[in-house]
Amino acid sequence: DAGITQSPRHKVTETGTPVTLRCHQTENHRYMYWYRQDPGHGLRLIHYSYGVKDTDKGEVSDGYSVSRSKTEDFLLTLESATSSQTSVYFCAAQAGTSGGAGELFFGEGSRLTVL
Amino acid sequence: QQQVKQSPQSLIVQKGGISIINCAYENTAFDYFPWYQQFPGKGPALLIAIRPDVSEKKEGRFTISFNKSAKQFSLHIMDSQPGDSATYFCAASPNYGGATNKLIFGTGTLLAVQP
Repeated sequence: DAGITQSPRHKVTETGTPVTLRCHQTENHRYMYWYRQDPGHGLRLIHYSYGVKDTDKGEVSDGYSVSRSKTEDFLLTLESATSSQTSVYFCAAQAGTSGGAGELFFGEGSRLTVL
Repeated sequence: QQQVKQSPQSLIVQKGGISIINCAYENTAFDYFPWYQQFPGKGPALLIAIRPDVSEKKEGRFTISFNKSAKQFSLHIMDSQPGDSATYFCAASPNYGGATNKLIFGTGTLLAVQP
């Protein structure tokens, strides 16, 4: 257990409203990720972070922004939610190793419904 | 192309049988191939992973077979048990050397093991 907590776990909101999802980790992992999971699409990377204030776009970043002001917190913001952003969002963290791949530790997900 | 194609979409196996899930990729830069297991309401968790310098890796009842020339890899679950019922995701990532683990996931296989 990599101590990854997501909040809120469930949220219903209306189109056009801003939404922020929070990911908190207790293991001091360097890398953090936000994925969305949709039927038929698997998990798709939205944004990731390779350190405090260091972030970059993933595969499906349009309509999303992220911030990482502390090692332990990674925030995902939908500036103006749309129905296409209804999904289950997963945060993940990875211990920092130079080069190559490593195990991702996932949170339990945040289910977002945009009406 | 960054895709990882996974099949079948769903699979029903009798207890004690062999479950086989297949994945194919196109990007020859991929050099890390993990499988993640996800139970309902939970985040994915690493099950087993392989690098292309070996053709097979076994951990308990779970085996990855890797065919580099065909750009395919598969997960075999021997003596499948009802507790193995879950969604399985294959994934792949390139080794950017010092960069993050930007995993590309397959679309998932829902496995049901009948008692």
